Amino acid sequence: EPEVTQTPSHQVTQMGQEVILRCVPISNHLYFYWYRQILGQKVEFLVSFYNNEISEKSEIFDDQFSVERPDGSNFTLKIRSTKLEDSAMYFCASRPGGRHQETQYFGPGTRLLVL
Amino acid sequence: RKEVEQDPGPFNVPEGATVAFNCTYSNSASQSFFWYRQDCRKEPKLLMSVYSSGNEDGRFTAQLNRASQYISLLIRDSKLSDSATYLCVVIFNTGGFKTIFGAGTRLFVKA
Repeated sequence: EPEVTQTPSHQVTQMGQEVILRCVPISNHLYFYWYRQILGQKVEFLVSFYNNEISEKSEIFDDQFSVERPDGSNFTLKIRSTKLEDSAMYFCASRPGGRHQETQYFGPGTRLLVL
Repeated sequence: RKEVEQDPGPFNVPEGATVAFNCTYSNSASQSFFWYRQDCRKEPKLLMSVYSSGNEDGRFTAQLNRASQYISLLIRDSKLSDSATYLCVVIFNTGGFKTIFGAGTRLFVKA
């Protein structure tokens, strides 16, 4: 069964450093998402991406964040200058697109720790 | 008022019990509804979509009440493996589509 994959599984970085989190969505999916989950808290929507552009973003997704689909298979989340409060699990998700195909499939996540 | 609200629990039930969770949502422009389960430190996994007519999948039954703006999940004959956090997920159409997760309801099923 096809699945969403994410790398790395864990990332430790120093405050102020840039990080890039990588995701490979399911191959025939058209919509891509990033979420984060701070330890002990709920899953929070960051951004959705369709047709090579951002379709929706939350208040969390400020100028420090960017997304890219550089090569038609990878979908990346960049945090330009990490802060302590960026420490969280980051989940990528994808879905096929089309009406009645709104179920999102999640990757296993990248656990980011900012020191 | 939170956009999607759930009782955090925990619900502690014996094996074989029936347990029900509710979730309320605040925005009447809500479009789609789902229940996901999340095991500790893992990704959310789809349990079932929720339709207006209600739907059942084995031991799991989901209901949607648009007038009262809540959805429910019923688990019959609980198994130890049902122990997890159950996440209510609502997609709002407010010009764009926003996916909002509830904080989850924790379930412990004990032998």
